[in-house]
Amino acid sequence: QVQLVESGGGVVQPGRSLRLSCAASGFDFRTYAMHWVRQAPGKGLEWVAFISWDGRHKSTVDSVKGRFTVSRDNSKNTLSLQMGSLGAEDTAVYYCARDFSQKYTIDFWGQGTLVTVSS
Amino acid sequence: QSALTQPRSVSGSPGQSVAISCAGTSTDVGGYTYVSWYQHHPGKAPKLVIYDVTKRPSGVPDRFSASKSGNTASLTISGLQAEDEADYYCYSYAGSNSWVFGGGTTLTVL
Repeated sequence: QVQLVESGGGVVQPGRSLRLSCAASGFDFRTYAMHWVRQAPGKGLEWVAFISWDGRHKSTVDSVKGRFTVSRDNSKNTLSLQMGSLGAEDTAVYYCARDFSQKYTIDFWGQGTLVTVSS
Repeated sequence: QSALTQPRSVSGSPGQSVAISCAGTSTDVGGYTYVSWYQHHPGKAPKLVIYDVTKRPSGVPDRFSASKSGNTASLTISGLQAEDEADYYCYSYAGSNSWVFGGGTTLTVL
């Protein structure tokens, strides 16, 4: 079955960096685009980043542009999110999610990993 | 990239129907047929219940239906059941490989 397992969350000081990973299994990862979505405490879901199946096309929400970079390693079935210049507003549960091919939406989500930005 | 507008909460008794609106603009909801809805129980992964404005994924009961008119989409849940109590989010493609969520609606089954 489809599995997406995020890792790398934790407590990080403001201004520092953190790298999240997502291990995918149960499907042909190399043929699917992927997303990162986050949910701040007590807030709603926010789309964060997209990467095409081959990694050639990437996009991020304006609030993280220039600070977050999405990447993937299809040989290792792994999705990553490199986060820099972290601020309190980046505190959230970060979800790795699979793109529903040709439907411009998400069809499967991981359980999420919590990132807390605090001194 | 402003969040789509949803009511913060709705409620209904078992067996009743409720509707959740999702207001966007011509650059997201109104501009594409790519509106989805998610059911999210706190602490769990969100679940896709509607995609392509009106389609239900396999396994989602037909009590869940949806529509769109202009810049506003709607999700209707009929025959409310206790397990429907959750947060619901609309989600729309907004062009140039970008997407936007609604602010979320908490459904309470009375």
